[in-house]
Amino acid sequence: QKEVEQNSGPLSVPEGAIASLNCTYSDRGSQSFFWYRQYSGKSPELIMFIYSNGDKEDGRFTAQLNKASQYVSLLIRDSQPSDSATYLCAVTGAGSYQLTFGKGTKLSVIP
Amino acid sequence: DGGITQSPKYLFRKEGQNVTLSCEQNLNHDAMYWYRQDPGQGLRLIYYSQIVNDFQKGDIAEGYSVSREKKESFPLTVTSAQKNPTAFYLCASSITAATYEQYFGPGTRLTVT
Repeated sequence: QKEVEQNSGPLSVPEGAIASLNCTYSDRGSQSFFWYRQYSGKSPELIMFIYSNGDKEDGRFTAQLNKASQYVSLLIRDSQPSDSATYLCAVTGAGSYQLTFGKGTKLSVIP
Repeated sequence: DGGITQSPKYLFRKEGQNVTLSCEQNLNHDAMYWYRQDPGQGLRLIYYSQIVNDFQKGDIAEGYSVSREKKESFPLTVTSAQKNPTAFYLCASSITAATYEQYFGPGTRLTVT
């Protein structure tokens, strides 16, 4: 059974700080990794994806992947109250097109 | 304006009734997916379709059925056999099944009483 684990939170950070969201996965053959943002009552929105070990930056967001440790993280710099949402980690399995989602981490950015 | 549309936004049904949820996309994507989300839970895959006239069961297909007669449309029927149908249903699409980035529609919140 493929598993994707996230701390449910809530993770509270002050406005302007760096928010660090973490995700671990059980399938060592996983190839692709995604971060979705989901506001309360809304559908998930794709904000980052990463396929190779290392860091990938897009604006205030940085995704970090360490396949050896089976760990992927999302850093949000200069956090804003509008970043308050649940962040879902999703992972594809080896040879599979299916995404397995974690339960999400709720982030709260305090003004 | 390209995107994925789902209708209706809210749907109420009595137990024992079948109900069909609509999903349409004008992104020219080959692959489409149905997920359900329960409170505090991750998304779980119900069915997916890589191409027109083809679809596969996901992790929780029991009590659901789909069709893919047109590239743009992937309707989901929640049958009376589904034990716990009340949930938030999300449709997604990707350029191809091998293009892993999936984009979601706004969702349909189904309540069965």
